[in-house]
This record gives sequence, structure tokens and C-alpha cells, in this order.
Amino acid sequence: GAGVSQSPSNKVTEKGKDVELRCDPISGHTALYWYRQSLGQGLEFLIYFQGNSAPDKSGLPSDRFSAERTGGSVSTLTIQRTQQEDSAVYLCASSFSGGELFFGEGSRLTVL
Amino acid sequence: GESVGLHLPTLSVQEGDNSIINCAYSNSASDYFIWYKQESGKGPQFIIDIRSNMDKRQGQRVTVLLNKTVKHLSLQIAATQPGDSAVYFCAERDGGFKTIFGAGTRLFVKA
Repeated sequence: GAGVSQSPSNKVTEKGKDVELRCDPISGHTALYWYRQSLGQGLEFLIYFQGNSAPDKSGLPSDRFSAERTGGSVSTLTIQRTQQEDSAVYLCASSFSGGELFFGEGSRLTVL
Repeated sequence: GESVGLHLPTLSVQEGDNSIINCAYSNSASDYFIWYKQESGKGPQFIIDIRSNMDKRQGQRVTVLLNKTVKHLSLQIAATQPGDSAVYFCAERDGGFKTIFGAGTRLFVKA
């Protein structure tokens, strides 16, 4: 598609389970970002990838969170041993070489 | 750590009036600022940006003002319309790609 695609759009899981969230960026975009947005709150930076450079992981809240980007395109955000406080909307964005960020519609995660 | 914040969490304006949304930033090294609009259930959408070598930039019905002396920027929306109702975020970069967002201001437009 023409925009950033995220899946699943909604995920309900039990505490302690692992989850994977997927992001398909806009074709040709070199940078990919993950943000977390709790209800009624701002966007919390998690991680970004730029080309073949090492990702900036400075926003990951704990070692339960990890992300990878395969082939410079698709990215997966993995949350291990989910906790209730992980419940949020996880937003992915991509950009071309430092330009404006184009966001997907997010993956809403609910941890019971 | 460095952060970008907003003075007003909510703003209510009458349709047709002008809106001003304010944002304070703390990282004096930030050189690029962006405003995003987020409608309910959607991802943020780019509105307008400004680099630190400018103090004003205009778009269609929107103007961004940057005051580096007091580390403040604002978004002005002319002739506010019901479709402008959304949450508005300012964001900043300090020369790299890492983009930090503020807490957001919710704009209500009364018909």
C-alpha cells in the first residue's frame, strides 16, 4: 500500500505472554520509528532505525522490549512477558532521510 | 532528560476564530521542529515544520512561530474549522533523526 501499515490493529493478551507487532514502512523510506502512546498521553519514543546504522534503542523501557528491522524494510517490535502497564497503542512511522514522519494507525495492545 | 512540553492541555475555540497552540522545549541543541495533528483513532499527521534558522513559516491556514531565545514555538490556525478538532503535538530533533514529541494539546472547535 501507499502508507505505513501496522498489524495487528488490535491485540489482547494475557499477562506474561509475548507479543509481536509488525510494521511495513513506506517503500524507499530509510528511517523507521516506534513510539508508544498511552491513553490520552503523548508519544513516547522507543527506538528508531536509519539505513544500515545501528538502531537508537535509547527509548526502550526495559529489556523485555526489542525490535528488529529486516532487509531495511519490515520491522517487528517484540514485548516479552507482557505486563499490564504495557497496554498502549504502539505507533510506527517511517521517513525518507530525515524528512517528515509518516505514521501508521497503530497497534492497540491490551494486557489482561 | 530533554523534553518538549505544552503550556495548555486543552483549548476550546469558536468556529471561525483563530487558534494558537503553544509549546515549550528544553533542548537548546534542537534545530528542527514539527507540528503534528492526531485525530481520534489515527496516527499523527504532519502539519508544518520549521528549522532553527527561521522564526516563522506559513502554510495553508497555519503558521508556526519559533522563538529560540525563550525556547518556545507556537502553531497558529486561521479561521478554525470543526475539522481542525484534534490533538496537536509539537516535536523536535537535535540534528539527528531521533524525534521527541511533547504531551499534546486537545483542540475543541465549537460550532
